[in-house]
Amino acid sequence: QSVLTQPPSASGTPGQSVTISCSGSSSNIESNYVYWYQQLPGTAPKRLIYGSNQRPSGVPDRFSGSKSGTSASLAISGLRSEDEADYYCAAWDDSLSGYVFGTGTKVTVL
Amino acid sequence: EVQLVESGGGLVQPGGSLRLACAASGFTFNTFWMTWVRQAPGKGLEWVANIKWDGSEKYSVDSVKGRFTVSRDNAKNSLYLQMNSLRVEDTAVYFCARGEGMGAWGQGTLVTVSS
Repeated sequence: QSVLTQPPSASGTPGQSVTISCSGSSSNIESNYVYWYQQLPGTAPKRLIYGSNQRPSGVPDRFSGSKSGTSASLAISGLRSEDEADYYCAAWDDSLSGYVFGTGTKVTVL
Repeated sequence: EVQLVESGGGLVQPGGSLRLACAASGFTFNTFWMTWVRQAPGKGLEWVANIKWDGSEKYSVDSVKGRFTVSRDNAKNSLYLQMNSLRVEDTAVYFCARGEGMGAWGQGTLVTVSS
């Protein structure tokens, strides 16, 4: 059961920007770091963002993360066809003593 | 290069057991938390369990408590998930991942629980 809520889908044309929201609570997003993952079809997830807004080396700066209160967002600028994938947020939940993932958002490049 | 290779998946009947393994290389295994995540067919990601670098702390999702046990052997650079009393709803691809923040992932191993 996911406790982080994401929109099921998002879309844009090449070059546009897309923002994916992740809604949680005081026990997870508000008090802990948020992570974002990209899962291309048929592959393992790949971490895009850690520490709520930090990009690992190798991740394009078109991807950016932010957090405010009990919500977080992943922004993708300059959308490209290879960005078509499922995106998940995650955070530690102090009440559950475990990590929780978001419901996932499928990004389509029109 | 960081590599994580899962093994041990397969078809098992409800109530049965399986032991998954994850072989790690390319990093200092005994300095990282390690994590198991699963994904049911066509569904989203679900965090299953994690274990501290020395095995002294372990956490797991409520739905597997009392049935699944995470462990590690730092001498063998390996992570394990012992799964007992398997249920149909445990059917999923199981991934191992490095770190609490899951910064690197294996390719996954499929566990199918069916009669």
